[in-house]
Amino acid sequence: GAVVSQHPSWVICKSGTSVKIECRSLDFQATTMFWYRQFPKQSLMLMATSNEGSKATYEQGVEKDKFLINHASLTLSTLTVTSAHPEDSSFYICSARKSRDRVGRAEETQYFGPGTRLLVL
Amino acid sequence: KNQVEQSPQSLIILEGKNCTLQCNYTVSPFSNLRWYKQDTGRGPVSLTIMTFSENTKSNGRYTATLDADTKQSSLHITASQLSDSASYICVVRGASGTYKYIFGTGTRLKVLA
Repeated sequence: GAVVSQHPSWVICKSGTSVKIECRSLDFQATTMFWYRQFPKQSLMLMATSNEGSKATYEQGVEKDKFLINHASLTLSTLTVTSAHPEDSSFYICSARKSRDRVGRAEETQYFGPGTRLLVL
Repeated sequence: KNQVEQSPQSLIILEGKNCTLQCNYTVSPFSNLRWYKQDTGRGPVSLTIMTFSENTKSNGRYTATLDADTKQSSLHITASQLSDSASYICVVRGASGTYKYIFGTGTRLKVLA
């Protein structure tokens, strides 16, 4: 299988604090991970693409200094929402794409995590 | 602009009935199209994936069709169950070398007993 986990599953924090969300690929290595945000009754919006060992690529309109992404290993990417405000309250979902296999074949399928619900008071 | 539009926006059906969800896209060039099921408060789970050359793909009670000429896809759910209540998202990937997914707006399905 290809299982992706997220931690925490939900978090409530005060305005102005920072929140870290972890995304882990449990049974495969992921060179690339993606971070999405989903507001109620809307579809997923890509925030950034995270590549292991390099800087993340942010989508237009996403503040990289506010949403810090670290992809330090092939199985873990973290998203830190810095100085969170109520408008940052949302459902954050990560996905992971498997690394190339031994012969260099790439799989483009994204495996999604279960999501993290963030509520900023 | 690459877009993926779904209809209806929401749908309510009785348990046991069939339903069909629609997806129209303008993504070009086109690589593949996926249908995902997303339960409330959960991440999306893949149902089907179809490439340019495939017209239909089944996964249990879910059957997806694709017409690459008209850029339309449908997801047919047979003998609906209460557990089918979820959002169904059509996702298209272009063939430009990027691995980005283009997400549809989703159809919220509610199955009633």
